[in-house]
Amino acid sequence: DTAVSQTPKYLVTQMGNDKSIKCEQNLGHDTMYWYKQDSKKFLKIMFSYNNKELIINETVPNRFSPKSPDKAHLNLHINSLELGDSAVYFCASSQGNGGYQETQYFGPGTRLLVL
Amino acid sequence: DQQVKQNSPSLSVQEGRISILNCDYTNSMFDYFLWYKKYPAEGPTFLISISSIKDKNEDGRFTVFLNKSAKHLSLHIVPSQPGDSAVYFCAASSPGGGNKLTFGTGTQLKVEL
Repeated sequence: DTAVSQTPKYLVTQMGNDKSIKCEQNLGHDTMYWYKQDSKKFLKIMFSYNNKELIINETVPNRFSPKSPDKAHLNLHINSLELGDSAVYFCASSQGNGGYQETQYFGPGTRLLVL
Repeated sequence: DQQVKQNSPSLSVQEGRISILNCDYTNSMFDYFLWYKKYPAEGPTFLISISSIKDKNEDGRFTVFLNKSAKHLSLHIVPSQPGDSAVYFCAASSPGGGNKLTFGTGTQLKVEL
């Protein structure tokens, strides 16, 4: 019974490629998030969506585009991958409308390596 | 600009003793704080939180203390168990910021037998 799942778990690709990471939650939550953990272990928020609507959009290159087909899914598409995109990407979800103090539940992460 | 800092990258404690993990923040707008625990190859798992209207919150073996004037919080684990060995992240959020969590870089706790 995986609550927040991500696919793939590992992704190795060449510079310049386009790739997608998928996230699904079966918790019935209304808000989903993407975080990036870089090589220095900083976990930083990238985006959040509430009921398919974008509510947080941090300073992230335009090459990153989130897509939420429904409230249970938030996918991350990355164009023209660069070496610096290598990181672990975590998806998370929370129950309400993305208000602060909502507990976020994280997926297992997708380890992206750009060669 | 690192607004949430965990200055100890690692901590080693004997089983049964107290583990104290520390966290400092610089942004005075933060008023809600959380601790997450992370095992290798897994996502962070929520542990405990505290609002700035309190100075202590307890849940079983875990207690979080908040000192607003010092902009400091700590997580106490008593008694420590080998299964507590993990990376612990401190996180903070502020009203008006959506539910954006600002994380520290984590402290690796090792509980030894």
